[in-house]
Amino acid sequence: AQTVTQSQPEMSVQEAETVTLSCTYDTSENNYYLFWYKQPPSRQMILVIRQEAYKQQNATENRFSVNFQKAAKSFSLKISDSQLGDTAMYFCAFRGSQGNLIFGKGTKLSVKP
Amino acid sequence: NAGVTQTPKFQVLKTGQSMTLQCAQDMNHEYMSWYRQDPGMGLRLIHYSVGAGITDQGEVPNGYNVSRSTTEDFPLRLLSAAPSQTSVYFCASSRRTPFPGFGGDTQYFGPGTRLTVL
Repeated sequence: AQTVTQSQPEMSVQEAETVTLSCTYDTSENNYYLFWYKQPPSRQMILVIRQEAYKQQNATENRFSVNFQKAAKSFSLKISDSQLGDTAMYFCAFRGSQGNLIFGKGTKLSVKP
Repeated sequence: NAGVTQTPKFQVLKTGQSMTLQCAQDMNHEYMSWYRQDPGMGLRLIHYSVGAGITDQGEVPNGYNVSRSTTEDFPLRLLSAAPSQTSVYFCASSRRTPFPGFGGDTQYFGPGTRLTVL
């Protein structure tokens, strides 16, 4: 069975600085997808970034980028130039051939002014 | 395009009552799913459907029923509510299977329903 582990329950960062959130996963599949979702206090689940496992190039979306290490089964999220609006829960998720999303327990990120 | 909609946004039930959480999507997605979110637990899959007439259990299905009579709707039924079902419930949808490069693998979430069972 696939599992997703986020080892940092809480993190904080100063505004304008860079922070990296960690995620590791376990799977025997070769083709799959990885996601980072953001959940602000509004509770809405917002897709931040996605990575297709067959692509070696790390995904980037504006200030958000990932470091995808397939052999190590690691998928970290880097947020550059942190903004107050980045304060939220961040969930790492895995989607394999079955199609179901498997989530980590989340990292609560606080951006301080 | 409304995306994924859920009703109600909030609900309070007494133990033993039944109710249905509604979920609808207008993106013609085949795959729909229900998750519950509890503090410190992330989101856990309750039930999912890969198309009209097809449903299956996820990680935490006990106490919940689903049906999928149309592509658009995927209601979640609580048969006899228990305090352990106090949670935030999310519905999500996507294309049936991940298609490389098409973005069809992305799941889109509804706004959630906060349910309290007394």
